[in-house]
Amino acid sequence: NAGVTQTPKFRVLKTGQSMTLLCAQDMNHEYMYWYRQDPGMGLRLIHYSVGEGTTAKGEVPDGYNVSRLKKQNFLLGLESAAPSQTSVYFCASSYTGTVWVFGPGTRLTVL
Amino acid sequence: GDSVTQMEGPVTLSEEAFLTINCTYTATGYPSLFWYVQYPGEGLQLLLKATKADDKGSNKGFEATYRKETTSFHLEKGSVQVSDSAVYFCALSDPGGTSYGKLTFGQGTILTVHP
Repeated sequence: NAGVTQTPKFRVLKTGQSMTLLCAQDMNHEYMYWYRQDPGMGLRLIHYSVGEGTTAKGEVPDGYNVSRLKKQNFLLGLESAAPSQTSVYFCASSYTGTVWVFGPGTRLTVL
Repeated sequence: GDSVTQMEGPVTLSEEAFLTINCTYTATGYPSLFWYVQYPGEGLQLLLKATKADDKGSNKGFEATYRKETTSFHLEKGSVQVSDSAVYFCALSDPGGTSYGKLTFGQGTILTVHP
């Protein structure tokens, strides 16, 4: 039981490049979330999903896209990276929306 | 909308000192309240939680009481250790409406404990 895993752990991009962050969970959770963590701002919700094939916007969705083609995976995409997207990205999953499991994070730097 | 406000940090204490980190919230419904801890280089771990007014959450010597009248959930520990050095996040989840179980976080408080 690996819990929530995130790939990659670190990444450096140049402005305008694209990339996809992968979140995987093996707990059969329905709900999955992507957050970004910035100093002094806590964690802010980017997008979330309440089930396979569904996605919805969170608090700060601009510049990001997501997909949930399989229940266990939640992908976060950056089509054209900007320096403002330099952050630490956390994925989380939840079975009932009452207990959450967080991944270890992905540290992204956009130059 | 929902919001969480934590005391501004960072907080620096000597070992065995008393710790208080203030947290207040705004929510439209009856939220559940949480404290998460993030150790250096790691993800978030649930420290404690409370799901209704006057509940007290506790874990590893940390405590927090859900105070509906003051909309607060302050974190306390009687004697901190160097190993408690971490970032602490207060958070809420409002099970009502269309929140879909999302967590709303405070800005985080960095705690450093010196020997």
